[in-house]
Amino acid sequence: GDSVTQMEGPVTLSEEAFLTINCTYTATGYPSLFWYVQYPGEGLQLLLKATKADDKGSNKGFEATYRKETTSFHLEKGSVQVSDSAVYFCALNSGGSNYKLTFGKGTLLTVNP
Amino acid sequence: NAGVTQTPKFQVLKTGQSMTLQCAQDMNHNSMYWYRQDPGMGLRLIYYSASEGTTDKGEVPNGYNVSRLNKREFSLRLESAAPSQTSVYFCASSDQRGRNEQFFGPGTRLTVL
Repeated sequence: GDSVTQMEGPVTLSEEAFLTINCTYTATGYPSLFWYVQYPGEGLQLLLKATKADDKGSNKGFEATYRKETTSFHLEKGSVQVSDSAVYFCALNSGGSNYKLTFGKGTLLTVNP
Repeated sequence: NAGVTQTPKFQVLKTGQSMTLQCAQDMNHNSMYWYRQDPGMGLRLIYYSASEGTTDKGEVPNGYNVSRLNKREFSLRLESAAPSQTSVYFCASSDQRGRNEQFFGPGTRLTVL
């Protein structure tokens, strides 16, 4: 079945540091890949997505590239801010008749001033 | 345009009590979903409705029932609440099978004593 593995947190960084959160997946077919962000006390918001191999999703300075050969979709940001403190979820949908999003367990990021 | 709304925001139940969580979306989406979020587990799909008039089980349907009342509304019912159902519940919607973005509500925090 489909599965998503992302690096366990928590991750603590200083402001302006470089961020990488690793995500690898197992899926049938050709999945779409997503990063969602959850700020404290809120629901999930889509951060970025990629629907085919070699696509790069980007938003708010975050980037992730769909790497089919390594089944990965790592999230990166060059310079984090305190306001980026949140939980980040990697997710996939393997398409076809499958409506389900499969989520990783989430990575808590804390950015200190 | 409110997006996805959920009521109530918080609820405390005693074991054996019943309740219904309400969800509505104003984006004219066909598909709606109920997830639960537990620490260290990511989000797990309880039930989904691919379109008005249809519902299907997700990963963890036991102890829950759902009703797709119309295109806008999708409710989740706990007939006899158990402490294991203490969780944060999220409703989501999308306009197509999950290859497109799912939009999430703010969540309902449920405690079963």
